[in-house]
Order: sequence, then structure tokens, then C-alpha cells
Amino acid sequence: DGGITQSPKYLFRKEGQNVTLSCEQNLNHDAMYWYRQDPGQGLRLIYYSQIVNDFQKGDIAEGYSVSREKKESFPLTVTSAQKNPTAFYLCASSMVQGRTEAFFGQGTRLTVV
Amino acid sequence: GQQVMQIPQYQHVQEGEDFTTYCNSSTTLSNIQWYKQRPGGHPVFLIQLVKSGEVKKQKRLTFQFGEAKKNSSLHITATQTTDVGTYFCAGIKNTDKLIFGTGTRLQVFP
Repeated sequence: DGGITQSPKYLFRKEGQNVTLSCEQNLNHDAMYWYRQDPGQGLRLIYYSQIVNDFQKGDIAEGYSVSREKKESFPLTVTSAQKNPTAFYLCASSMVQGRTEAFFGQGTRLTVV
Repeated sequence: GQQVMQIPQYQHVQEGEDFTTYCNSSTTLSNIQWYKQRPGGHPVFLIQLVKSGEVKKQKRLTFQFGEAKKNSSLHITATQTTDVGTYFCAGIKNTDKLIFGTGTRLQVFP
């Protein structure tokens, strides 16, 4: 089955630790995105990538880092510099950035303890 | 920051009533997409509008794109309990970033 997979579904982290969220897609999509969703709020763009080895900052990139070494993978690292990391993180991909339907993963709920 | 606003933020309706959510951008959009997120789920694509003044229908859902390509609306006729969820618009600007609106949470009472 084609799709986009995020792991883990739930993640707990101690304050001050870095953590990496996985996002893998087998849809052969060029564009991939990371969004953050806080309770009762919309989706805010963290980073996005149009092609392999290239990515751009979104609206709330501070405290986050990404890599795009492979077309199918776009991992997100939440660093200790992120002041309020507890949130629901959604990864998405689309064939052409912004021009075609975006497919979302199931999300990772990160809690800092 | 967030440049695509949606109103209302919440809407509670009785089953059978109509519902409308409005999406407004401060700048012209290349196109606009609409998504639905069920409680506890992830956003699912509904439709994309590209042309100025475009209107598209999907059964009880009607989507419109404004003439100036700065606003859009989603209207649901005769809501059902299965319509419950949060509806997001997502706009594309010249930078090709897919920016989501603030969302409208719809609750339908039977």
C-alpha cells in the first residue's frame, strides 16, 4: 500500500533532550512538509522540502532541524532549543509542492516531561 | 506567522442545519485547498480550487474561491453527524509554501 508513515505515534522526552521524529513516504512525492498542531489550533509550517537535499524554513523553524537525504524520508529533530515542544506533529507529502493534494501521516504526539 | 484566517473558530449546529466557514488571506493566493480533520485524526484532502470565482460541489459540500483569489468558503447543506470535525483551508502563495488556515471546528448535535 502506498502512503506516508510517521513513527512513533507517541513520544515522551525529558526536557533538554533532542528527539527525532520519523517520516517516510512511498508515494514517490517530491515535496514533503512538517507541521505542528497545538490543541484547538491550526497547522503551522515548520519546514518544507521540494526536492532531495534541499529544504526551507517555514513559519516556526526555530528549535527544529530537518534533513532530506533521500526522496522518501524527511526526519524532523526537535532540539532542546525549542521552548515549547509538546505538540502534535504532522508530516505530509505531495507530488508537486503546493499544487497537488497533500497526504498526511497519522502524526506523532510529543510530550516533554 | 499565520496569514490565512478562518471564521468562525467554532460552530455548533443541529443536525440538518447548514454550515459555512470562511477563509481569508491577506495576500492573493495561487490556489486554495480544503481539508477535513476528524477528532483525533489527521487532515484529509477534500478539494482544490484554482480559478478566480471558481465554484465546486461535492454532494452536500459547496466550495467557492473569491474573485480576487484572497478568500474562499465551504458551505455544507443539511449537516449530518458524520460532518463533525475541523475544516481547514490551505493557501498557496508565490513562495509555494502550503499555509494552513486557523481552522473551523464543527460540532453537529443529533
